[in-house]
Amino acid sequence: SQQGEEDPQALSIQEGENATMNCSYKTSINNLQWYRQNSGRGLVHLILIRSNEREKHSGRLRVTLDTSKKSSSLLITASRAADTASYFCATDALGGGTSYGKLTFGQGTILTVHP
Amino acid sequence: NAGVMQNPRHLVRRRGQEARLRCSPMKGHSHVYWYRQLPEEGLKFMVYLQKENIIDESGMPKERFSAEFPKEGPSILRIQQVVRGDSAAYFCASSLPGQGYEQYFGPGTRLTVT
Repeated sequence: SQQGEEDPQALSIQEGENATMNCSYKTSINNLQWYRQNSGRGLVHLILIRSNEREKHSGRLRVTLDTSKKSSSLLITASRAADTASYFCATDALGGGTSYGKLTFGQGTILTVHP
Repeated sequence: NAGVMQNPRHLVRRRGQEARLRCSPMKGHSHVYWYRQLPEEGLKFMVYLQKENIIDESGMPKERFSAEFPKEGPSILRIQQVVRGDSAAYFCASSLPGQGYEQYFGPGTRLTVT
């Protein structure tokens, strides 16, 4: 199956709740990046976590990385209606110890936050 | 500092015509990547370029598609003799030189083939 698969495919929550999205991948990676895409628009870079990092924070975002399980999670705390979007993880794979450069995206999680 | 610029934002072409998509990277970025997003799908890598050099074109269809990033000017993704299946959003991203940096995306070009 595909590198960078997100789970769940869709998530619907109330404003103020936390949202957790998971991503699994198959190969060794240099880093993993999370992006947000509002409907029909471009991608916004949220956070990059390197393979030697286990956790990273940015504002209301918390990303974890478990390279032994080849998985990552994105937590959005105290969600807002404006967080409604699709969220993608993307992996920068390693080959022979070198980053390939290109990103491999999952299918994304559609998050809906109800006011 | 302007972000990644893409133009046009929307492009309509009839079957058999050529489509030319342009991408200007962020200032200081010398690496450019093109991705395609089909409806209801994630992004798929197409090609990775540096100035005057194609680094990886493993995601490019073998025929009709080409890309360049000249010494001066924007990167161009060219699709010859477009077909309906080429209808998609095409995104360009750029990054700093070196490995493993964040890729910043442009707003995309939505290509519709009629």
